[in-house]
Parts: sequence; C-alpha cells; structure tokens
Amino acid sequence: QQQVKQSPQSLIVQKGGISIINCAYENTAFDYFPWYQQFPGKGPALLIAIRPDVSEKKEGRFTISFNKSAKQFSLHIMDSQPGDSATYFCAASLNYQLIWGAGTKLIIKP
Amino acid sequence: DAGVIQSPRHEVTEMGQEVTLRCKPISGHNSLFWYRQTMMRGLELLIYFNNNVPIDDSGMPEDRFSAKMPNASFSTLKIQPSEPRDSAVYFCASSRGQSKFFGPGTRLTVL
Repeated sequence: QQQVKQSPQSLIVQKGGISIINCAYENTAFDYFPWYQQFPGKGPALLIAIRPDVSEKKEGRFTISFNKSAKQFSLHIMDSQPGDSATYFCAASLNYQLIWGAGTKLIIKP
Repeated sequence: DAGVIQSPRHEVTEMGQEVTLRCKPISGHNSLFWYRQTMMRGLELLIYFNNNVPIDDSGMPEDRFSAKMPNASFSTLKIQPSEPRDSAVYFCASSRGQSKFFGPGTRLTVL
C-alpha cells in the first residue's frame, strides 16, 4: 500500500516532443505529490507538485495531471529540450514521509 | 539564497574508519532529513529531525550509524566503523512544510 509505481523506466524523446511519465499509488491518505528532477552528480531538485484536490497544475513547460479516482498522476514535459535529459522521480507524501517511484531516465535527442 | 550545503562532496575511506558527513539546512527550515541513494535501493530515508529533535530514526541501518543536530543550522551523520556496503550517495534535505529541498550530496566510497 505504500508503493508508488513509476513508468516507464527509461524514455527517449525527440527534441520538441512531449515527454510523459506516469505514476500510480494505492494509499488514498497521501496528500501531496511532488516530482523531482535529478541530474548526474546532483541532488534531486523539486520540479513541481500537486495536491489531490487539484486535477492539473502547470508551470512553464511542465504539467502534472492528477486522476484521484484512478489513483494515478503523470508529468508532461512539453517542447522537450536536450537540457531536460535527467532522471525524474515521482513521489507521494504523507506527513514527513516521501514514498518514491523508481525513477525514469529521460533522454531528449537533438 | 543558499540552498542546502553538504560537505564533503566526496569521501573515500577504508573499511573500519570513522566517517562524518555534514549538512547546513536552508535558513528558516525546521525539518531536516538524511537520505541515502543507491542503484539497488533508490532513495531511503535514514533519519528525520524536527526543530532539532530526532523524530524518526527507523531508517538508520545499524548502530554504526548516528546523527545529531546540535542547532538549527547544522547536522552530522556519522558512520563508525564504516563498511564497503555503506558506499552510496548521502543526501541531506530540509523543509518548512511538505516541499523538501535536497543538498548536492556526499558520495561515499568505503574500500
């Protein structure tokens, strides 16, 4: 019940395309869903986050779509750029706990 | 604004030695976390402090690991004695609310 399942494990997208990463959770008590971006040799950086009472949140080229009934949420990166190449982690939070997805390695091809 | 600061960035030591990792959280943040990241296990929470008090240390793998937070601007994670299986990247994160901000990490290699 504490798992967050993330897919795909890896993703290759052409420059200018849309990158989509999906996550699913079981525990309906989770109340905060962040996405983190991690470059090699760096710490995870908070990218965007959403609460379950909102169905979509957009910040620049990054959008979270949230489906509470399906217990799924996804990250969409519009107009993907080579600089977006990184590992992306979804997570689900309850109090101080963060339950992490396994990560998606995204490669944007020029 | 300075983010979370960690030192050292890299540490190579021999089995049996003591290792001390340091963290300075973001000013004004009242929660501090130590995480460990490995390929096999991903990101694991080791310990959580709130207002300098350890709240949850259930993730600390063994008695060889200890953590302190003597004041709001400094924390240490100590491994004594270190073992090769402790090799990982150790991250410190701080927060005020649910958004956690991570430091650059310390890459520890125990030979």
